[in-house]
Amino acid sequence: AQRVTQPEKLLSVFKGAPVELKCNYSYSGSPELFWYVQYSRQRLQLLLRHISRESIKGFTADLNKGETSFHLKKPFAQEEDSAMYYCALRVNRAGGKLIFGQGTELSVKP
Amino acid sequence: GAVVSQHPSRVICKSGTSVKIECRSLDFQATTMFWYRQFPKQSLMLMATSNEGSKATYEQGVEKDKFLINHASLTLSTLTVTSAHPEDSSFYICSVRDSSSDEQFFGPGTRLTVL
Repeated sequence: AQRVTQPEKLLSVFKGAPVELKCNYSYSGSPELFWYVQYSRQRLQLLLRHISRESIKGFTADLNKGETSFHLKKPFAQEEDSAMYYCALRVNRAGGKLIFGQGTELSVKP
Repeated sequence: GAVVSQHPSRVICKSGTSVKIECRSLDFQATTMFWYRQFPKQSLMLMATSNEGSKATYEQGVEKDKFLINHASLTLSTLTVTSAHPEDSSFYICSVRDSSSDEQFFGPGTRLTVL
């Protein structure tokens, strides 16, 4: 079965602290993984995708097929990073549908 | 970047009535659109994949006669919630896949409240 698990519903850190938002997936095929972010009162938007292997707003995520994980990391959190973060798995490449994790609310305190 | 719009942004209706939600792709033609449902501070649940010119593909557990999807053009998909009940109250979000960038762009969502 295809599944994305984000074990933490809420993650609260202080400004400048490192952040790691966990994501694990279950998929028998070749996975395509994404992180989406939803700031307060805004629409969902793409943060990064594993195939790009890039850093966006200081965030990085590495696909670990052995551990079936795609954790999102940032060395120094900023207050403006406070948002809901969703890990997503794309299945059926041609169809492109996304399976989302439950989401993690990141709260960065001053 | 690509823009996806939804109309209306919020709607309140009486139980038993039907509500239509529109999703428009403003920057590119989309053969595939997706409809999601989101509860407060919870995940997006995929309801169906909307295919232009053909029948939508519904996810398991989603009633196709309850949630009617029409994708009549390459820029418009509609979701009609028929005979709405209070348990249908939710945030409905559409997304559009841009085949050139292989990225999905999301609409702002429609807040449905059924009284």
